[in-house]
Amino acid sequence: GDSVTQMEGPVTLSEEACLTINCTYTATGYPSLFWYVQYPGEGLQLLLKATKADDKGSNKGFEATYRKETTSFHLEKGSVQVSDSAVYFCALSDRAGNQFYFGTGTSLTVIP
Amino acid sequence: DADVTQTPRNRITKTGKRIMLECSQTKGHDRMYWYRQDPGLGLRLIYYSFDVKDINKGEISDGYSVSRQAQAKFSLSLESAIPNQTALYFCATRGGGYTGELFFGEGSRLTVL
Repeated sequence: GDSVTQMEGPVTLSEEACLTINCTYTATGYPSLFWYVQYPGEGLQLLLKATKADDKGSNKGFEATYRKETTSFHLEKGSVQVSDSAVYFCALSDRAGNQFYFGTGTSLTVIP
Repeated sequence: DADVTQTPRNRITKTGKRIMLECSQTKGHDRMYWYRQDPGLGLRLIYYSFDVKDINKGEISDGYSVSRQAQAKFSLSLESAIPNQTALYFCATRGGGYTGELFFGEGSRLTVL
Protein backbone atom coordinates (compact mmCIF):
# COMPACT_ATOMS: atom_id res chain seq x y z
CA GLY A 1 0.00 0.00 0.00
CA ASP A 2 0.86 3.66 -0.08
CA SER A 3 3.31 4.93 2.51
CA VAL A 4 5.71 7.70 3.40
CA THR A 5 9.12 7.38 5.00
CA GLN A 6 10.84 10.43 6.38
CA MET A 7 14.10 11.13 8.11
CA GLU A 8 14.03 10.46 11.81
CA GLY A 9 14.90 13.20 14.22
CA PRO A 10 15.39 15.00 16.29
CA VAL A 11 17.39 17.49 14.29
CA THR A 12 19.20 20.36 15.99
CA LEU A 13 20.68 23.19 13.94
CA SER A 14 22.20 26.55 14.60
CA GLU A 15 20.44 29.61 13.28
CA GLU A 16 21.22 30.30 9.58
CA ALA A 17 22.25 26.70 8.92
CA CYS A 18 20.92 24.77 5.93
CA LEU A 19 18.13 22.27 6.43
CA THR A 20 17.23 19.12 4.54
CA ILE A 21 14.61 16.66 5.76
CA ASN A 22 14.40 13.60 3.56
CA CYS A 23 11.11 12.11 2.51
CA THR A 24 10.47 9.20 0.18
CA TYR A 25 7.19 7.64 -0.75
CA THR A 26 5.62 4.49 -2.10
CA ALA A 27 2.44 4.87 -4.08
CA THR A 28 0.62 3.51 -7.07
CA GLY A 29 0.00 6.06 -9.74
CA TYR A 30 0.75 9.72 -9.18
CA PRO A 31 -0.03 10.94 -5.70
CA SER A 32 -0.06 14.51 -4.45
CA LEU A 33 2.67 15.30 -1.93
CA PHE A 34 2.59 17.61 1.06
CA TRP A 35 4.67 18.97 3.90
CA TYR A 36 2.91 19.93 7.09
CA VAL A 37 4.35 21.77 10.07
CA GLN A 38 3.27 21.51 13.68
CA TYR A 39 4.39 24.27 16.03
CA PRO A 40 4.41 23.54 19.76
CA GLY A 41 0.91 23.25 21.16
CA GLU A 42 -0.77 23.68 17.80
CA GLY A 43 -2.40 21.60 15.11
CA LEU A 44 -0.81 20.76 11.80
CA GLN A 45 -0.83 23.35 9.08
CA LEU A 46 0.09 23.03 5.44
CA LEU A 47 3.58 24.26 4.63
CA LEU A 48 3.70 23.42 0.93
CA LYS A 49 2.50 20.93 -1.63
CA ALA A 50 3.14 19.58 -5.12
CA THR A 51 0.61 17.78 -7.21
CA LYS A 52 2.57 16.43 -10.16
CA ALA A 53 6.06 15.31 -11.07
CA ASP A 54 8.73 18.05 -11.20
CA ASP A 55 6.47 20.54 -9.43
CA LYS A 56 8.20 22.59 -6.77
CA GLY A 57 6.27 23.69 -3.72
CA SER A 58 7.55 26.66 -1.75
CA ASN A 59 6.51 28.74 1.24
CA LYS A 60 8.25 30.74 3.99
CA GLY A 61 11.67 30.00 2.45
CA PHE A 62 11.05 26.25 2.41
CA GLU A 63 11.08 24.29 -0.85
CA ALA A 64 10.44 20.73 -1.96
CA THR A 65 10.47 19.21 -5.44
CA TYR A 66 8.32 16.26 -6.48
CA ARG A 67 10.84 13.76 -7.90
CA LYS A 68 9.07 10.86 -9.54
CA GLU A 69 12.27 9.10 -10.61
CA THR A 70 13.54 8.88 -7.02
CA THR A 71 10.07 8.89 -5.39
CA SER A 72 11.20 11.69 -3.12
CA PHE A 73 9.95 15.03 -1.80
CA HIS A 74 12.78 16.36 0.36
CA LEU A 75 12.19 19.54 2.36
CA GLU A 76 14.92 22.20 2.16
CA LYS A 77 15.62 25.63 3.55
CA GLY A 78 18.77 27.61 3.01
CA SER A 79 18.86 29.47 6.31
CA VAL A 80 16.77 28.35 9.27
CA GLN A 81 15.53 30.60 12.04
CA VAL A 82 14.66 29.94 15.66
CA SER A 83 11.00 30.35 14.70
CA ASP A 84 11.28 27.32 12.39
CA SER A 85 11.54 25.03 15.42
CA ALA A 86 8.64 22.61 14.98
CA VAL A 87 7.75 19.10 13.90
CA TYR A 88 7.58 18.53 10.14
CA PHE A 89 5.45 15.85 8.51
CA CYS A 90 5.67 14.58 4.98
CA ALA A 91 2.41 13.23 3.55
CA LEU A 92 0.85 11.95 0.39
CA SER A 93 -2.66 11.77 -0.93
CA ASP A 94 -3.54 8.80 -3.05
CA ARG A 95 -4.77 9.30 -6.56
CA ALA A 96 -8.35 8.57 -5.57
CA GLY A 97 -8.15 11.38 -3.06
CA ASN A 98 -9.60 9.28 -0.31
CA GLN A 99 -6.81 9.12 2.20
CA PHE A 100 -3.69 10.81 3.39
CA TYR A 101 -0.62 8.90 4.51
CA PHE A 102 1.74 10.61 6.93
CA GLY A 103 5.36 10.07 7.82
CA THR A 104 6.29 9.80 11.49
CA GLY A 105 7.42 13.41 11.73
CA THR A 106 10.83 15.05 12.18
CA SER A 107 11.40 17.35 15.12
CA LEU A 108 13.56 20.38 14.35
CA THR A 109 15.12 22.61 16.98
CA VAL A 110 16.98 25.72 15.90
CA ILE A 111 19.28 27.29 18.46
CA PRO A 112 20.46 30.91 18.38
CA ASP B 1 -12.60 31.98 14.77
CA ALA B 2 -10.89 28.77 13.72
CA ASP B 3 -12.21 27.00 10.63
CA VAL B 4 -12.01 23.62 12.40
CA THR B 5 -12.91 23.66 16.08
CA GLN B 6 -12.38 20.81 18.50
CA THR B 7 -13.81 20.45 21.99
CA PRO B 8 -12.63 19.79 24.59
CA ARG B 9 -9.02 20.82 24.10
CA ASN B 10 -7.90 18.89 27.12
CA ARG B 11 -9.59 16.10 29.01
CA ILE B 12 -8.55 13.80 31.81
CA THR B 13 -10.73 10.80 32.43
CA LYS B 14 -10.65 7.42 34.11
CA THR B 15 -10.51 3.94 32.68
CA GLY B 16 -13.93 2.68 31.66
CA LYS B 17 -15.53 6.09 31.21
CA ARG B 18 -17.27 7.13 28.02
CA ILE B 19 -15.83 10.19 26.36
CA MET B 20 -16.82 12.20 23.30
CA LEU B 21 -14.62 14.53 21.31
CA GLU B 22 -16.45 16.96 19.10
CA CYS B 23 -15.44 18.65 15.88
CA SER B 24 -17.17 21.35 13.92
CA GLN B 25 -16.07 23.12 10.75
CA THR B 26 -17.02 26.22 8.84
CA LYS B 27 -15.16 25.40 5.62
CA GLY B 28 -18.13 23.73 3.96
CA HIS B 29 -16.12 20.58 3.25
CA ASP B 30 -17.77 17.21 2.85
CA ARG B 31 -14.79 15.13 3.90
CA MET B 32 -13.89 14.92 7.60
CA TYR B 33 -11.32 12.83 9.43
CA TRP B 34 -10.22 11.83 12.91
CA TYR B 35 -6.55 11.15 13.52
CA ARG B 36 -4.59 10.12 16.55
CA GLN B 37 -1.04 11.37 17.18
CA ASP B 38 1.42 9.48 19.35
CA PRO B 39 5.11 10.35 19.78
CA GLY B 40 7.22 8.57 17.18
CA LEU B 41 4.20 7.16 15.36
CA GLY B 42 3.05 10.16 13.43
CA LEU B 43 -0.65 10.47 12.64
CA ARG B 44 -2.86 7.44 12.34
CA LEU B 45 -6.32 7.51 10.84
CA ILE B 46 -9.19 6.42 13.07
CA TYR B 47 -12.30 7.16 10.98
CA TYR B 48 -13.24 9.25 8.01
CA SER B 49 -16.47 10.44 6.46
CA PHE B 50 -17.24 11.71 2.97
CA ASP B 51 -20.75 12.84 3.81
CA VAL B 52 -23.41 12.38 6.47
CA LYS B 53 -24.29 8.90 5.26
CA ASP B 54 -20.77 7.72 4.49
CA ILE B 55 -18.58 6.61 7.43
CA ASN B 56 -15.42 4.57 6.98
CA LYS B 57 -12.99 2.88 9.33
CA GLY B 58 -9.37 3.86 9.29
CA GLU B 59 -6.36 1.83 10.32
CA ILE B 60 -7.00 2.00 14.09
CA SER B 61 -10.78 2.12 14.55
CA ASP B 62 -11.04 -0.54 17.29
CA GLY B 63 -12.29 0.98 20.53
CA TYR B 64 -13.66 4.07 18.78
CA SER B 65 -16.92 5.07 17.16
CA VAL B 66 -18.01 8.19 15.29
CA SER B 67 -21.12 10.12 14.42
CA ARG B 68 -21.58 12.56 11.56
CA GLN B 69 -24.47 14.65 12.81
CA ALA B 70 -24.35 17.15 9.96
CA GLN B 71 -22.01 18.20 7.21
CA ALA B 72 -20.25 20.46 9.68
CA LYS B 73 -20.07 18.14 12.69
CA PHE B 74 -18.14 14.94 13.24
CA SER B 75 -17.79 13.43 16.72
CA LEU B 76 -15.45 10.75 18.00
CA SER B 77 -16.45 8.56 20.95
CA LEU B 78 -14.56 6.23 23.19
CA GLU B 79 -17.20 3.96 24.69
CA SER B 80 -14.97 2.64 27.46
CA ALA B 81 -11.69 4.49 27.63
CA ILE B 82 -8.45 2.66 28.38
CA PRO B 83 -5.01 4.09 29.22
CA ASN B 84 -3.46 3.27 25.83
CA GLN B 85 -5.98 5.64 24.26
CA THR B 86 -4.09 8.48 25.91
CA ALA B 87 -3.04 10.60 22.93
CA LEU B 88 -3.52 13.81 21.00
CA TYR B 89 -6.53 13.63 18.70
CA PHE B 90 -7.00 15.74 15.61
CA CYS B 91 -10.02 16.42 13.48
CA ALA B 92 -9.44 17.48 9.89
CA THR B 93 -11.45 18.45 6.86
CA ARG B 94 -10.63 18.32 3.20
CA GLY B 95 -11.85 20.09 0.13
CA GLY B 96 -12.39 18.68 -3.31
CA GLY B 97 -10.16 16.45 -5.36
CA TYR B 98 -7.03 14.49 -4.63
CA THR B 99 -4.88 17.61 -4.69
CA GLY B 100 -6.69 19.32 -1.85
CA GLU B 101 -5.02 19.56 1.51
CA LEU B 102 -6.24 18.66 4.97
CA PHE B 103 -7.22 21.44 7.36
CA PHE B 104 -6.65 20.53 10.98
CA GLY B 105 -8.19 21.56 14.25
CA GLU B 106 -5.96 22.47 17.15
CA GLY B 107 -6.23 19.05 18.73
CA SER B 108 -7.79 17.44 21.80
CA ARG B 109 -5.39 16.07 24.35
CA LEU B 110 -6.92 13.08 26.12
CA THR B 111 -5.45 11.42 29.19
CA VAL B 112 -6.94 8.19 30.45
CA LEU B 113 -5.90 7.26 33.98
